[in-house]
Amino acid sequence: DADVTQTPRNRITKTGKRIMLECSQTKGHDRMYWYRQDPGLGLRLIYYSFDVKDINKGEISDGYSVSRQAQAKFSLSLESAIPNQTALYFCATSAPLAGSTDTQYFGPGTRLTVL
Amino acid sequence: KNQVEQSPQSLIILEGKNCTLQCNYTVSPFSNLRWYKQDTGRGPVSLTIMTFSENTKSNRRYTATLDADTKQSSLHITASQLSDSASYICVVKKAQTGANNLFFGTGTRLTVIP
Repeated sequence: DADVTQTPRNRITKTGKRIMLECSQTKGHDRMYWYRQDPGLGLRLIYYSFDVKDINKGEISDGYSVSRQAQAKFSLSLESAIPNQTALYFCATSAPLAGSTDTQYFGPGTRLTVL
Repeated sequence: KNQVEQSPQSLIILEGKNCTLQCNYTVSPFSNLRWYKQDTGRGPVSLTIMTFSENTKSNRRYTATLDADTKQSSLHITASQLSDSASYICVVKKAQTGANNLFFGTGTRLTVIP
């Protein structure tokens, strides 16, 4: 079974619609992240959470919101989707280790298309 | 400006051949450098993480090198297999707190052909 799961895997929606992408993990990690990936660009951080009561904006948070419902669940919402939010979205988790080498574990991604 | 640049953008090699992917960065201060493999339709998977004091690190047929003085890293793949076809992403971590401290390259797309 996958340690980090994302639902849905694919979604096509229309401009102005509200969309929620969900992420669940069974790794027991405290830290969770949402990234988007666009062709020709590196992964960009949208939001991150270091524990249930912690939410932080990333590099490109405008137009997005998140909810950390539990240690294992981290949802990303697009309140009013627009076409330039068409991208591949990844959830990731990590656990801080001694030093700074905490590895991130990525989910399989959600391909979102906004028409 | 903190940047991570990878070359080449894409590469096609014959099965069984070796190849080397490059990563140059300007991120400072440096904490560590990671190489990820991303199969089509999948999330990235960590291959190796290198800290300042590590020059070479191997993971099966993958060998990563790091020269922190010149801010360069390479990923060498030995005896390539069809399953090596993927994008390889270089990620550099800046020595600062928070999660806004990871800088991602755009990746090298490797295709291994029979």
